[in-house]
Amino acid sequence: GAGVSQSPRYKVAKRGQDVALRCDPISGHVSLFWYQQALGQGPEFLTYFQNEAQLDKSGLPSDRFFAERPEGSVSTLKIQRTQQEDSAVYLCASSLTGTLRSGELFFGEGSRLTVL
Amino acid sequence: AQKITQTQPGMFVQEKEAVTLDCTYDTSDPSYGLFWYKQPSSGEMIFLIYQGSYDQQNATEGRYSLNFQKARKSANLVISASQLGDSAMYFCAMREGYQGRRALTFGSGTRLQVQP
Repeated sequence: GAGVSQSPRYKVAKRGQDVALRCDPISGHVSLFWYQQALGQGPEFLTYFQNEAQLDKSGLPSDRFFAERPEGSVSTLKIQRTQQEDSAVYLCASSLTGTLRSGELFFGEGSRLTVL
Repeated sequence: AQKITQTQPGMFVQEKEAVTLDCTYDTSDPSYGLFWYKQPSSGEMIFLIYQGSYDQQNATEGRYSLNFQKARKSANLVISASQLGDSAMYFCAMREGYQGRRALTFGSGTRLQVQP
C-alpha cells in the first residue's frame, strides 16, 4: 500500500492476555517508530528501529513490552500480560532516511487497545 | 520540565477566520526542528509544517504558517481562512539534535473546532 498500515485497528483484551500489534511501513523506509497515545494526550515515544536494529527502546514502559523488526520492514509490538493502564492507541510511523528533518515521518492510523 | 507545552486544550473559530494555536518548547540543543501535526477523528497523524532552528524565515505551507520566535521559544501555528475540515486535534512536536535521538516529542495537543 501507499501508506503505513497497522493491524488490528481495534483490539480488546482481557487483563493478563498477550497481544501483538503489527506495523507495515512504507516500502523502503529505513526508520520505524512506535508511539503510545493515551486518551486525550499526545503520543509518547516507545521505541525506534533503523532497518532491523532497535536503536532506542528507552520509551518502553516495562519489560512486558517488546518490539521487533527482524527483516527491516514489518514490525511487531508485543505486550505481555496486559494491564488496564496499557489501554491506548499505538501509533506506528516510518521515515525514508535515518535522519529526521522536515516532514519525513509518516504515521499509520493506529491500533486501539482496550484492556478489560 | 515539559519539552513541548500547548496551553490551549480547546479552541473555537468561525469558518473563514484565522486562528493561532500556541506552542512553547524547551531545549538546550542549538539544533532542533519543530513540527505541527493534525489528527482528525480517524486517528492518523498528518504532517502540516516544519521549522528548523536555523531557518531564517517563518515556514509557510498553504493556509498554514508557523510564527517562530526563537528567543521566546515559541512556535505558534496560524491557520488562515479556517474550514470545517480543519476541526481536529493539533499537536506541536520537537526533534532535538540532527544526528542524535531521532524521535519526536509531542505536546498534549489542542482540539480545534471550526464553527459554520
